[in-house]
Amino acid sequence: GAVVSQHPSWVICKSGTSVKIECRSLDFQATTMFWYRQFPKQSLMLMATSNEGSKATYEQGVEKDKFLINHASLTLSTLTVTSAHPEDSSFYICSAQPMRTASPFSNQPQHFGDGTRLSIL
Amino acid sequence: DAKTTQPTSMDCAEGRAANLPCNHSTISGNEYVYWYRQIHSQGPQYIIHGLKNNETNEMASLIITEDRKSSTLILPHATLRDTAVYYCIGTSGTYKYIFGTGTRLKVLA
Repeated sequence: GAVVSQHPSWVICKSGTSVKIECRSLDFQATTMFWYRQFPKQSLMLMATSNEGSKATYEQGVEKDKFLINHASLTLSTLTVTSAHPEDSSFYICSAQPMRTASPFSNQPQHFGDGTRLSIL
Repeated sequence: DAKTTQPTSMDCAEGRAANLPCNHSTISGNEYVYWYRQIHSQGPQYIIHGLKNNETNEMASLIITEDRKSSTLILPHATLRDTAVYYCIGTSGTYKYIFGTGTRLKVLA
């Protein structure tokens, strides 16, 4: 159980185009999803927190107009890289947090997708 | 969220136990410790988590010190497929994971 599917797994496109990445929780509902970016030989860097039905919360230094996030349902969040340029080339990874239990300190782990490798020419 | 520090790299012989330490001295009372691993070009895989008691599952054991300032992930019989970068994360109700640099574990044949 607890599978997160990310699509596409790999994309190459020309500079200036927009790219949409989908993140789906397949067998559970997720009120919160997260988007990360990872450059070669570096750790994952949190970009934004996506809550179903509300605006995403972006980490400091992440341009919200550049990286559009939509979380329209409890099983789907999308990240759109707008007007992509070569410096946006990276490995983008999403994760999904299962819906909270009644406990305020719900400790269920996040589950990660397998990532999308984006290359902008 | 707790700041974590881990050794940059470790080697382990195949079939032996791999013990991966993590320091999280700033962890607060309601923050759990989570362990993930990332194999090249894949998303992180959940391994185990705990609050203050030791935990064991089919993948690994987690030993948390009594003061909760550090923990050790134990892979009891490491295989070549366990070669990966291992991350420990301390977090609570905000659910935000802040990844450190992790430990690059290399299992040697």
